[in-house]
Amino acid sequence: DMKVTQMPRYLIKRMGENVLLECGQDMSHETMYWYRQDPGLGLQLIYISYDVDSNSEGDIPKGYRVSRKKREHFSLILDSAKTNQTSVYFCASSSANQDTQYFGPGTRLLVL
Amino acid sequence: SQWGEENLQALSIQEGEDVTMNCSYKTYTTVVQWYRQKSGKGPAQLILIRSNEREKRSGRLRATLDTSSQSSSLSITGTLATDTAVYFCATLYQGGRALIFGTGTTVSVSP
Repeated sequence: DMKVTQMPRYLIKRMGENVLLECGQDMSHETMYWYRQDPGLGLQLIYISYDVDSNSEGDIPKGYRVSRKKREHFSLILDSAKTNQTSVYFCASSSANQDTQYFGPGTRLLVL
Repeated sequence: SQWGEENLQALSIQEGEDVTMNCSYKTYTTVVQWYRQKSGKGPAQLILIRSNEREKRSGRLRATLDTSSQSSSLSITGTLATDTAVYFCATLYQGGRALIFGTGTTVSVSP
């Protein structure tokens, strides 16, 4: 069963705290993504990873960094979270030779 | 932004009715994908259409792609309450590896 998982599903943090969002996939997909979704803005690409330790900035990378040490696992890190990083974060994965992206259920992050 | 207008940001219909939503895009593309996102879930691809197809059907779904007008449409026939969702069009960039999403059309289907 093809699946993308995200942990945690809900998270509340105070401004200035560090945040770690984790994503896993069981499809051996080479490419993984982090998006954020805000009302009225659709999904915006934060980072893309082409494979282990091969990461590239997306459209809105400021304030975020990523880590991919295993093909099946991709992390999004917020160092010193800000209130404007309150959002829903989605992880996705795709095979290198396919256009379809498979999305996780999302992590709802609230930064107070 | 890659996307121009998404016709009909939100609409409410009764079960059994047909619905069509449209997207127009600015930069030439040969592939458009349509995704559906239900409340509290991640987006899921419904249909992918390439420029050499012009029209593609999958069950109750029908997608079109007109590269001359740079627009795409998604139609759902005989809607069900379970079709209630936000529908996004998306196209590839970053060397064909990332998606740009439109802002979405919210469809509410009443039983």
